[in-house]
Parts: sequence; C-alpha cells; structure tokens
Amino acid sequence: EAGVAQSPRYKIIEKRQSVAFWCNPISGHATLYWYQQILGQGPKLLIQFQNNGVVDDSQLPKDRFSAERLKGVDSTLKIQPAKLEDSAVYLCASSFMAQGAGEAFFGQGTRLTVV
Amino acid sequence: SQQGEEDPQALSIQEGENATMNCSYKTSINNLQWYRQNSGRGLVHLILIRSNEREKHSGRLRVTLDTSKKSSSLLITASRAADTASYFCAPGSGNTPLVFGKGTRLSVIA
Repeated sequence: EAGVAQSPRYKIIEKRQSVAFWCNPISGHATLYWYQQILGQGPKLLIQFQNNGVVDDSQLPKDRFSAERLKGVDSTLKIQPAKLEDSAVYLCASSFMAQGAGEAFFGQGTRLTVV
Repeated sequence: SQQGEEDPQALSIQEGENATMNCSYKTSINNLQWYRQNSGRGLVHLILIRSNEREKHSGRLRVTLDTSKKSSSLLITASRAADTASYFCAPGSGNTPLVFGKGTRLSVIA
C-alpha cells in the first residue's frame, strides 16, 4: 500500500515570496490533515479536511495561508507571502477514520526555509 | 480540540533499560493514540487504546490508560538505540481533530 506522498521534500525561499506544498493521501482516506512543526516543538494542526470540506482551520493564519482539497483527494497548502517565522516542516497526514477516531498516516514532510 | 501533555520533556537511558513516558489530558476521551517521530521524519503510529481498555501491548510496547486520572503511560521495554525518537500522545474524543503536544524526547545511549 502506497503511503502519504508529499512534495517537494525541501524548499528554500526568500521572505515575501510564495510557496506551495502538495500532498497525495492514501487512497480511500477521507480525512486529511496539514501540520506545521517548528524545530523542537510538536506538530501544530493547521487544517483538517473531511473529503473536500474543511472541518477545522482555527489555527490556520488565513491572512497568508490557504489550503484546498479538490475532489476530496490531493491537497495543496500555500503560503503567500512567506515570513521568516514560517520556517518549519509541513506535515500531511491522512486517516480512514473521521476526526481522531483512528490511526493517521504521515508523509515525510516538506522542510521550508525562509531566508 | 484536546491536546495531551507528555512528561517528561526529555529522557535519557542506557540501551537495555526500560523507558516510561506519561501523557495527561483534560476532558473525557474515546481513545488515546501514541506516535513516534524519528528526527527529520513524519510521525509513525504506535498504538491506540480505547477508553474501555486499561492496558494494551504491542511487541516491546505497553500502554496503560487510567480514565479516572485522565492519564496514560507508554512503556518501552529493553530499549534499543533505534528507539531514540520523540514520542507524542493524542487523546481522541470522536469529534475533535488529531492534535499533539510537545512530546517526550527519548535518547537511548548504546
């Protein structure tokens, strides 16, 4: 079974530039999460999708971050414009179960450096 | 959303010793999950314990859950250098997203 795929693995951009991350969840998984993990901290939930609908985006900085999940499968997370404090690893995860009811599978993450 | 709080923040042990880490949470749950994260990698699911279970085993892992104290513990027996990682708990109540605390950083010294 293929795992959660994320790309790119690494990205370096200058502040005020834009960047987009892509996630392909495990086939059949209705729930998709995006997390931001700053070095030395735990993953912080940015947004949760159930199919193509948003369940929770309370921690998403909506003035600069946006996310979509077209057709309830792949998802993209965009930052525009980036700030230095956005430097982090962005993790995507998917789950067959809704909410926190079951195991989530994580991708390898995208490491973003904003200079 | 409900977030677990792991304790201790960091733990260093010798290879072959047992490692115990704890998780506390605030409201009632349906289940609690433990995850491991090796440096620079994504999280990996270790075990899920339901609210009606008190103890669960998986290989060298033993998880306990005390809903009256709102706490869980993860025991890794006969630890190996490869167990060096951060460990996170995630309490779930069925209508809350999967969120994580700061984790416990375990170092197993060969």
